[in-house]
Amino acid sequence: NAGVTQTPKFRVLKTGQSMTLLCAQDMNHEYMYWYRQDPGMGLRLIHYSVGEGTTAKGEVPDGYNVSRLKKQNFLLGLESAAPSQTSVYFCASSRPGGPQHFGDGTRLSIL
Amino acid sequence: RKEVEQDPGPFNVPEGATVAFNCTYSNSASQSFFWYRQDCRKEPKLLMSVYSSGNEDGRFTAQLNRASQYISLLIRDSKLSDSATYLCVVNKDRDDKIIFGKGTRLHILP
Repeated sequence: NAGVTQTPKFRVLKTGQSMTLLCAQDMNHEYMYWYRQDPGMGLRLIHYSVGEGTTAKGEVPDGYNVSRLKKQNFLLGLESAAPSQTSVYFCASSRPGGPQHFGDGTRLSIL
Repeated sequence: RKEVEQDPGPFNVPEGATVAFNCTYSNSASQSFFWYRQDCRKEPKLLMSVYSSGNEDGRFTAQLNRASQYISLLIRDSKLSDSATYLCVVNKDRDDKIIFGKGTRLHILP
């Protein structure tokens, strides 16, 4: 049982490049989330989804887009990467009202 | 008042001691409460859910005080491996908007 899987684990981008982070969960969870965490800081919610085909903005959505075409997958896109988006990105999933289960993160550096 | 507030610490505690943290929340309609631990550069991991009647898991005890709007985590007989950041998690309101606290750092000293 893999739980929540994030790919890639590490990535280095140049300013202005685009990329997509993939999150997959095998727990049949309705809800999925994308967070970013900067060094020494707390988690900040970027976008979330309460079901297939639905997405909503979190606390820091600017510069990111998401899609939830399949229940098990939640994609996070960076349209035009900026150095301020250098961070660790965590995906999580949950059932309604339940605890969130996290992937082990994607470490992204923008040069 | 912040939605979810925790003392950032650090709490420096000798091995074997008992330590407790509180976490306050602002929305009285909150329904779900959890404690997570996060090790440096790792993902948060669920430590325990917090139930209205309080609950215990080994050396860990979690309690909910709805009247004063806080949850607590008590760690007994602390181990070096308990050193981590402990995150309080509260669902904001009935539509399951989960709010993470900024965390309390705990250092267990040998």
